[in-house]
Amino acid sequence: EAQVTQNPRYLITVTGKKLTVTCSQNMNHEYMSWYRQDPGLGLRQIYYSMNVEVTDKGDVPEGYKVSRKEKRNFPLILESPSPNQTSLYFCASSLSWTASNYGYTFGSGTRLTVV
Amino acid sequence: GESVGLHLPTLSVQEGDNSIINCAYSNSASDYFIWYKQESGKGPQFIIDIRSNMDKRQGQRVTVLLNKTVKHLSLQIAATQPGDSAVYFCAESFKAAGNKLTFGGGTRVLVKP
Repeated sequence: EAQVTQNPRYLITVTGKKLTVTCSQNMNHEYMSWYRQDPGLGLRQIYYSMNVEVTDKGDVPEGYKVSRKEKRNFPLILESPSPNQTSLYFCASSLSWTASNYGYTFGSGTRLTVV
Repeated sequence: GESVGLHLPTLSVQEGDNSIINCAYSNSASDYFIWYKQESGKGPQFIIDIRSNMDKRQGQRVTVLLNKTVKHLSLQIAATQPGDSAVYFCAESFKAAGNKLTFGGGTRVLVKP
């Protein structure tokens, strides 16, 4: 089944403790992206990657890092999480970086709570 | 399930009636638009898209209308069913920004039996 898989689904952590949220897609998509979703603010892009070893900042990149060493994986790294990073996170992928039919395929989300 | 938003506009519709969800987009240069559906506990799911050279596109039970003059997008759902209860987002993009999608705030649709 074609899908984007995120792990974990739920995570509670403490301020300052480094964490990684994994994202993997099995569709050979070039483009991958991370979004966070907050009440009243909608979906905001954190980072994106147009292909292997090519990443760039989105609208809200502060406090996050990403890497794209392989086409299928696009992990989101929080080196020193803070409570304002408590949010619902989505990974998404798309066939190519140019606007294409069907937009993105989204993962099921990761609910992160930083205390 | 996951709470998508506590402050979303809500559309209540009777089962079997038609639903119309509206979206005002921000960028007059946007040339590609998508409607997504997000059910509780799930990621957004593609419903239908439209390019700026069209003003209407139909899918199965859904129609998207685009009015570029007033930068307005709407999604019509025919014969709304309980399974249509969800949050609906519009998204826009334009070629100069590659494949970056900018999302609207969303509308919650509640279908009453």
